[in-house]
Amino acid sequence: SQQGEEDPQALSIQEGENATMNCSYKTSINNLQWYRQNSGRGLVHLILIRSNEREKHSGRLRVTLDTSKKSSSLLITASRAADTASYFCATDEGVGGFKTIFGAGTRLFVKA
Amino acid sequence: DTGVSQDPRHKITKRGQNVTFRCDPISEHNRLYWYRQTLGQGPEFLTYFQNEAQLEKSRLLSDRFSAERPKGSFSTLEIQRTEQGDSAMYLCASSSSHRLAGNNEQFFGPGTRLTVL
Repeated sequence: SQQGEEDPQALSIQEGENATMNCSYKTSINNLQWYRQNSGRGLVHLILIRSNEREKHSGRLRVTLDTSKKSSSLLITASRAADTASYFCATDEGVGGFKTIFGAGTRLFVKA
Repeated sequence: DTGVSQDPRHKITKRGQNVTFRCDPISEHNRLYWYRQTLGQGPEFLTYFQNEAQLEKSRLLSDRFSAERPKGSFSTLEIQRTEQGDSAMYLCASSSSHRLAGNNEQFFGPGTRLTVL
């Protein structure tokens, strides 16, 4: 079964608006990662946040992590049409933390 | 070497046939993963190698699936007696353990799309 569950399942916004996606997970984690997938570039790693971090920034991306609620959010500011993609959160479990579990993803559509 | 490569990119087979996929990771990466992805879902973990050792294997994997990484470089995923439910995109990813502890950024290949008729 999937570890992470994203919300919403789909999101449609206008170019320039912000997009927020949420992820919930079930077990203790060492870190949480966000990936993007589109037809042109496949699955690409966006950002990693460790369990002892609460917020992290990378360009137009802002990730928060609340381990008490077992949840994370990904904010994309000033969205562009090129941000249209599916976004997945992923957590590591198992011995050594190398069993990576992805959620079902949020499908983002940015209208130009 | 510009990234993870997978071969073939597409495979169409008849039910009951065996298929084998190949993954070539980024050359300096010692970790290799296989995933399966169906439409509308996230990647589903299948198995993980560190060098040539298979250290994690999903319980969802039936005995029809087997993976190898004999020399710690490329890997193969074989599906025996394919079923229609095996139709999916099979993704390979690699990463390095020689980064900060706990960092597991994975680099994905383009995938092999399997269609079982």
